Amino acid sequence: GIQVEQSPPDLILQEGANSTLRCNFSDSVNNLQWFHQNPWGQLINLFYIPSGTKQNGRLSATTVATERYSLLYISSSQTTDSGVYFCAVYAGGTSYGKLTFGQGTILTVHP
Amino acid sequence: EADIYQTPRYLVIGTGKKITLECSQTMGHDKMYWYQQDPGMELHLIHYSYGVNSTEKGDLSSESTVSRIRTEHFPLTLESARPSHTSQYLCASSSSGRGTDTQYFGPGTRLTVL
Repeated sequence: GIQVEQSPPDLILQEGANSTLRCNFSDSVNNLQWFHQNPWGQLINLFYIPSGTKQNGRLSATTVATERYSLLYISSSQTTDSGVYFCAVYAGGTSYGKLTFGQGTILTVHP
Repeated sequence: EADIYQTPRYLVIGTGKKITLECSQTMGHDKMYWYQQDPGMELHLIHYSYGVNSTEKGDLSSESTVSRIRTEHFPLTLESARPSHTSQYLCASSSSGRGTDTQYFGPGTRLTVL
């Protein structure tokens, strides 16, 4: 099956700093989502981004499908950005609709 | 955002008990999913459904079972809980009819089996 790798595994920032999270995937994908998991375990949709670039406030994401990677940018980080960020992909074909998750990046933002 | 609900949010039970984790969504999504997540780890798909009376096992083997009798409801059942079932269970749904197939997640159920 498809492999999804995220880097870095852990990231510690001071409030106000910028960061880039990376997601590499091993095969062609139909769709890709970025999630933020808060301390209570809730998965919050950040982006649905199979290709191209999207922005939402301080967050933006870029997926280069031909090179099999996606990037999540967080600017002017805040303590509320802390948590785990997951990238997840749909592999397509008979597995259409089933998400395969990366192992996540644990982000800690200090005041 | 889709409205998707899970109950209970937290459950602590003894070994051997039968439990049912509830999941409901109010968006009319045809697809629903159950994922299992151990603390600090990635999510693994254990069951999914593409519509009423359709259920399939996911990539991670699980002793749980599911049913899909109504579009909005996708309960997960463990006939005899064991400590190895201790985990977080997350339900999700999506709509293939909207083109994007974005999955939306419920708040999860944290299960502890003593």
